[in-house]
Amino acid sequence: GAVVSQHPSRVICKSGTSVKIECRSLDFQATTMFWYRQFPKQSLMLMATSNEGSKATYEQGVEKDKFLINHASLTLSTLTVTSAHPEDSSFYICSAKRDGSGELFFGEGSRLTVL
Amino acid sequence: KNEVEQSPQNLTAQEGEFITINCSYSVGISALHWLQQHPGGGIVSLFMLSSGKKKHGRLIATINIQEKHSSLHITASHPRDSAVYICAVKRDAGGTSYGKLTFGQGTILTVHP
Repeated sequence: GAVVSQHPSRVICKSGTSVKIECRSLDFQATTMFWYRQFPKQSLMLMATSNEGSKATYEQGVEKDKFLINHASLTLSTLTVTSAHPEDSSFYICSAKRDGSGELFFGEGSRLTVL
Repeated sequence: KNEVEQSPQNLTAQEGEFITINCSYSVGISALHWLQQHPGGGIVSLFMLSSGKKKHGRLIATINIQEKHSSLHITASHPRDSAVYICAVKRDAGGTSYGKLTFGQGTILTVHP
């Protein structure tokens, strides 16, 4: 079955540093990928829609300069949390929409802890 | 009121029991997803429905578009079914929210041996 790989699964960083999270569709092409954030005991919240070859579309309240999204190929989208602060600590999940069928596949998630 | 409401929020069952999780929504949708989130956080898409009923192994998902309601059933539940089950709706055409997923708050299922 189709697989979406997210890396790293866990990352701990110091306040002020930047962290990059990768979302890769392993056996299908995905023009559109999505990035979500999940706080403890809460459901997923869509942060942005990532489109290959164009700028990402951010949801209201999500700072585009804080959460940089790059979708340079049909199989890879990256989320960079810039100048991370403790309040950015969260679980970040991506999903990829398979070109053609439109099926949605989710990554395993990345847990970010900012000290 | 949330646009996607799930019930119950928590569900405890004994192994072998039949389980039902409900999802009601208040927006126009083009599809509804049932997702399973494991304790480690990874998410698996169980079903995508736009009408009727789908079955996969011990899992059955139904949707009633007129009533804006969907159910996820698990037959002969097993401890390995313990997870968070999330209902998510894909908005239909019209407005700026087209195509976006809106998530329910999730149902925490615990199945005891």
